[in-house]
Amino acid sequence: EAGVTQFPSHSVIEKGQTVTLRCDPISGHDNLYWYRRVMGKEIKFLLHFVKESKQDESGMPNNRFLAERTGGTYSTLKVQPAELEDSGVYFCASSQDSVFSAKNIQYFGAGTRLSVL
Amino acid sequence: AQSVTQLDSQVPVFEEAPVELRCNYSSSVSVYLFWYVQYPNQGLQLLLKYLSGSTLVKGINGFEAEFNKSQTSFHLRKPSVHISDTAEYFCAVKPGFGAGSYQLTFGKGTKLSVIP
Repeated sequence: EAGVTQFPSHSVIEKGQTVTLRCDPISGHDNLYWYRRVMGKEIKFLLHFVKESKQDESGMPNNRFLAERTGGTYSTLKVQPAELEDSGVYFCASSQDSVFSAKNIQYFGAGTRLSVL
Repeated sequence: AQSVTQLDSQVPVFEEAPVELRCNYSSSVSVYLFWYVQYPNQGLQLLLKYLSGSTLVKGINGFEAEFNKSQTSFHLRKPSVHISDTAEYFCAVKPGFGAGSYQLTFGKGTKLSVIP
């Protein structure tokens, strides 16, 4: 069974440009999450989808970030326009069980390393 | 809200020596606890978890962790490390119930370097 897949693995862009990150969750997982790790800091929650619906986007830094999940399958995270402070590693995770279940285990992808110059 | 403190950012240890990676947490509600590992150029992999029951939990690759509620700690241990254990280790907590009970709160990570 394929794990959580993210691409690109690395992206280098200039300030002001647009970048789109993609995440393919494990097949059958309704829950999809985005997290971000800024250099030297903790991995922090950005948002949570259940199928195609955003359940919680309280961690999104600002309105330059837009996440979508078409048809409840893969998800994209767009940053437009990118700023220097957006640099970091963006992780995607997915889970199968209800978020209220102790068995709700999140499985992570390898992340996308974004560098904004 | 929850917070996680990993007391050591880097831990060098000789091969076949024991290791303990420390994790303390703060939370106003009961939590589930996790250790994830990130090997070079790979994703975060679940190492072990504490959901309930026995406070000593065993994970993959010979790692174990002990939940200590009174000290709000969840330290990770391995009696004898291998070169292949070189990685970054993350402690994380998730509320057992209530709003945001799906959000993992992570520590800053501990880089374990195993020296031949």
